[in-house]
Amino acid sequence: GNSVTQMEGPVTLSEEAFLTINCTYTATGYPSLFWYVQYPGEGLQLLLKATKADDKGSNKGFEATYRKETTSFHLEKGSVQVSDSAVYFCALSTSGGSYIPTFGRGTSLIVHP
Amino acid sequence: GAGVSQSPSNKVTEKGKDVELRCDPISGHTALYWYRQSLGQGLEFLIYFQGNSAPDKSGLPSDRFSAERTGGSVSTLTIQRTQQEDSAVYLCASTQGTPGRTEAFFGQGTRLTVV
Repeated sequence: GNSVTQMEGPVTLSEEAFLTINCTYTATGYPSLFWYVQYPGEGLQLLLKATKADDKGSNKGFEATYRKETTSFHLEKGSVQVSDSAVYFCALSTSGGSYIPTFGRGTSLIVHP
Repeated sequence: GAGVSQSPSNKVTEKGKDVELRCDPISGHTALYWYRQSLGQGLEFLIYFQGNSAPDKSGLPSDRFSAERTGGSVSTLTIQRTQQEDSAVYLCASTQGTPGRTEAFFGQGTRLTVV
């Protein structure tokens, strides 16, 4: 079956620090990989995605590269802001077999001024 | 509609009562999912509808949970004889395009509290 493992939080950083949130996966078939973000009091929204190996998804200064050899999709940002404080979810879905998106447990990020 | 709409946004119910949660997906989206989000537990898959196919109910935690989707659009999740462990945020999402390749659009969720 499909599964996603991401680092536990909370991750606490000072503004302008470098961010990495690790995500690894197992999947039957060839997955597409996603990062979703949930800001306080809001629903989940897509942050970025990658659909094939070596693709890099990017948005709002965040990046993640689809690494098939290490089955990873780590989220990075060079300089975080207070407004980035949120919960980040790594997810995958496959176009064969079960299409149901599988999510990690989420990582809470807290950025202090 | 412009986005996935869920109602009510909050629901407090007494243990043992039945509740109905509603989801209006984005118009034209053929796939609809229900998830449950409990504190510190991430997103737990409940049920998946794709077009006119039979739903995938493999994630429903007990026979107290059921869901239907009428006319390929609006979906209702019903929880019978609610228990305190049912307290969670219930999320609905819809997708279009190639299954498995496209992003899921989420509603704001229904926060269910069983007292």
